[in-house]
Amino acid sequence: GNSVTQMEGPVTLSEEAFLTINCTYTATGYPSLFWYVQYPGEGLQLLLKATKADDKGSNKGFEATYRKETTSFHLEKGSVQVSDSAVYFCALITGSGNTGKLIFGQGTTLQVKP
Amino acid sequence: DAGVIQSPRHEVTEMGQEVTLRCKPISGHNSLFWYRQTMMRGLELLIYFNNNVPIDDSGMPEDRFSAKMPNASFSTLKIQPSEPRDSAVYFCASRKSDQPQHFGDGTRLSIL
Repeated sequence: GNSVTQMEGPVTLSEEAFLTINCTYTATGYPSLFWYVQYPGEGLQLLLKATKADDKGSNKGFEATYRKETTSFHLEKGSVQVSDSAVYFCALITGSGNTGKLIFGQGTTLQVKP
Repeated sequence: DAGVIQSPRHEVTEMGQEVTLRCKPISGHNSLFWYRQTMMRGLELLIYFNNNVPIDDSGMPEDRFSAKMPNASFSTLKIQPSEPRDSAVYFCASRKSDQPQHFGDGTRLSIL
């Protein structure tokens, strides 16, 4: 079946460090891929998305490229800030017109220290 | 621009009591989702509706849980009777057609 696997956290970085959070997926067909972010005490917010192979989603300095050959969608940021501390979820959706349900990874906690 | 609105934000009650969580989706959105989040199991989809009709309730843990969507602007998730293991954060999300989901801020439920 469809599934998403993320690297385990917590990931602890110093401010201005480079960030990579790995995400791989298993899916039938051609899923759309997403990264969501959850700040403490809040719900999940869409961070970026990619809907087909080789697409690059980007937002707020974060990027992720849809790699069909490696079934991956790794999240990267060149220089993290303390305010980026949150839980990051990789997710996919399949089905006609992407109207099905989201399949989430287990989440990766990022802690950025000043 | 109001987002998904959930109430209450926090609920503390004794086991055996009935609990009702409420959600108002974003106006114009035609799909609604209920999730549960715990440290042990992460984020779980409980049920989702398209155009007020339940499509997939396979994530509802047992008969004590029920969800309704009487109209396009309101949904409830009910637990009766509640148990301590139901303690979690419950999220509602809504979506328009094939657009990404928008999440509410959640209800933090504690069953004593």
